[in-house]
Amino acid sequence: KNEVEQSPQNLTAQEGEFITINCSYSVGISALHWLQQHPGGGIVSLFMLSSGKKKHGRLIATINIQEKHSSLHITASHPRDSAVYICAVRKRGADKLIFGTGTRLQVFP
Amino acid sequence: DTAVSQTPKYLVTQMGNDKSIKCEQNLGHDTMYWYKQDSKKFLKIMFSYNNKELIINETVPNRFSPKSPDKAHLNLHINSLELGDSAVYFCASSSRGSGGSYNEQFFGPGTRLTVL
Repeated sequence: KNEVEQSPQNLTAQEGEFITINCSYSVGISALHWLQQHPGGGIVSLFMLSSGKKKHGRLIATINIQEKHSSLHITASHPRDSAVYICAVRKRGADKLIFGTGTRLQVFP
Repeated sequence: DTAVSQTPKYLVTQMGNDKSIKCEQNLGHDTMYWYKQDSKKFLKIMFSYNNKELIINETVPNRFSPKSPDKAHLNLHINSLELGDSAVYFCASSSRGSGGSYNEQFFGPGTRLTVL
């Protein structure tokens, strides 16, 4: 079992829908990252958080440290949001990130 | 003024050859990383350097040798390439905050390596 699990693996949505992607982890962490990888391959960091909630435009990330769980929400989804969303955690005391397997999102017009 | 750049973007080569991938960041970061993304799109850390010193060396074959000539560059040299080395290799960089914590990582565009 991976130390970082994401669900769902694949997600399709109609434009305008509210989307939630979940990430659960089994280790103590110092931070959690949400990354976006577009079909062209480039990876962009969306959020880094260690507690609470962060918002950037239509994207919201939340984390519950006690429950070892984070969610990424996309409001008013758009076809350009179609990408793979990757959760990664930095173990407490470690220098490296451990990645989830990603959630492939497709938003149709 | 790309933040993290990698060259080449694509690399096609024969088994047994030796090749290098270069990475440069102009963000003033002190930590750089190499990641491998396999055919199932799973990312895994290979190496990390902080201020030109190796701090992470995962269980990577010793055919892979990173070199950091200065804080802005981290190159990856691969000897005796094998079919299983085919993957996308990403370079990334970050800075360390107060108390040794890490800030967010910035990724390069990736190098797609195909070994024939």
